[in-house]
Amino acid sequence: GAVVSQHPSRVICKSGTSVKIECRSLDFQATTMFWYRQFPKQSLMLMATSNEGSKATYEQGVEKDKFLINHASLTLSTLTVTSAHPEDSSFYICSASGGQGPGETQYFGPGTRLLVL
Amino acid sequence: AQKVTQAQTEISVVEKEDVTLDCVYETRDTTYYLFWYKQPPSGELVFLIRRNSFDEQNEISGRYSWNFQKSTSSFNFTITASQVVDSAVYFCALSGWNAGNMLTFGGGTRLMVKP
Repeated sequence: GAVVSQHPSRVICKSGTSVKIECRSLDFQATTMFWYRQFPKQSLMLMATSNEGSKATYEQGVEKDKFLINHASLTLSTLTVTSAHPEDSSFYICSASGGQGPGETQYFGPGTRLLVL
Repeated sequence: AQKVTQAQTEISVVEKEDVTLDCVYETRDTTYYLFWYKQPPSGELVFLIRRNSFDEQNEISGRYSWNFQKSTSSFNFTITASQVVDSAVYFCALSGWNAGNMLTFGGGTRLMVKP
């Protein structure tokens, strides 16, 4: 149980285009979903937290107009990188949690490698 | 504020050796949760264990074991008889009561198991 999928797994795009990444919880309802960014050989950096039906909460320094997050249902959240530039190239990982309470386990998707040319 | 420190950035062992990955945490919450995740080269983080602050019993799962010591604020992870498939980056993470279900990650330890 607790499977999270992410699509696409890898994307290459031209500078200036927008890229949408989907995160789905396959066998449970995800009250909360998280989006992380990971640079090579570094730890995960939380970008934003999204709860179903409400606006995402962004971490300090993350541009909400650049990284649009939508959590339209209990099984789907999307991250759209708008007008992508080479510095947005990174590994993006989502996670999903069945609750908002303290200590709820986050289950992670397989990640999306974004390369902006 | 919460903090997780994994002092070992890289560890290299030969297959069948035992290896311990260290994790030290800081939190002001009296109730908190500790996690370990494995990130193999494919990139996906695999959940390994969740432990709450009131349960100090050590846990064993196959070749994996965890030692939780509140007195030293540590939650160390031992792999017995390591295998090449254990090669991955391992992250320790903390979720304090007042943080909801947000995680604070350590920097990760890259484990390389050589045949």
